Amino acid sequence: TQLLEQSPQFLSIQEGENLTVYCNSSSVFSSLQWYRQEPGEGPVLLVTVVTGGEVKKLKRLTFQFGDARKDSSLHITAAQPGDTGLYLCAGVASWGKFQFGAGTQVVVTP
Amino acid sequence: GAGVSQSPSNKVTEKGKDVELRCDPISGHTALYWYRQSLGQGLEFLIYFQGNSAPDKSGLPSDRFSAERTGGSVSTLTIQRTQQEDSAVYLCASSSQGGVITFFGQGTRLTVV
Repeated sequence: TQLLEQSPQFLSIQEGENLTVYCNSSSVFSSLQWYRQEPGEGPVLLVTVVTGGEVKKLKRLTFQFGDARKDSSLHITAAQPGDTGLYLCAGVASWGKFQFGAGTQVVVTP
Repeated sequence: GAGVSQSPSNKVTEKGKDVELRCDPISGHTALYWYRQSLGQGLEFLIYFQGNSAPDKSGLPSDRFSAERTGGSVSTLTIQRTQQEDSAVYLCASSSQGGVITFFGQGTRLTVV
């Protein structure tokens, strides 16, 4: 079983601070996705990274895929209360079967 | 439809009863996935449908769980003889191509009492 570990499990920061969430595995993935989930809602796809070493930016969010395609990070600059949510990473090992991490709960207080 | 629709949004059932959860994917999406999310846990893969291919059922936790997809569109996840450990949020997702999830539904919160 391929295991995706996310860290930290919980992160509470003040508005304006920066944060980084990590997603690590001992296995190689063909691609990796990041989602944000709010209470009572399904996860919403933020980004898909495919190439080792790839960096994608989405406004204040920066996503990086490790060179070996085993790990990824999500960095948020100047966090805002609207960034609060559960951040999930999902590795694609084979068609249709995603391995999800347990998620990082991020709370940004005004 | 505009998004992935799941019903009911909440379901409370007595232990031992059967339940059916419905997923209506985005029109035209050929791939459909069911996941289960327990409190404080990540998403657990249950089953994957892709077009007319045989579904990947490798994530179903027991033979009490089954799913079908009729006409390549609506899917129903059935749990027979529910147990308390089946309590979770059941999420459905669809995509226009297999391998890359694009949209999730809001989920069905199942509580077995």
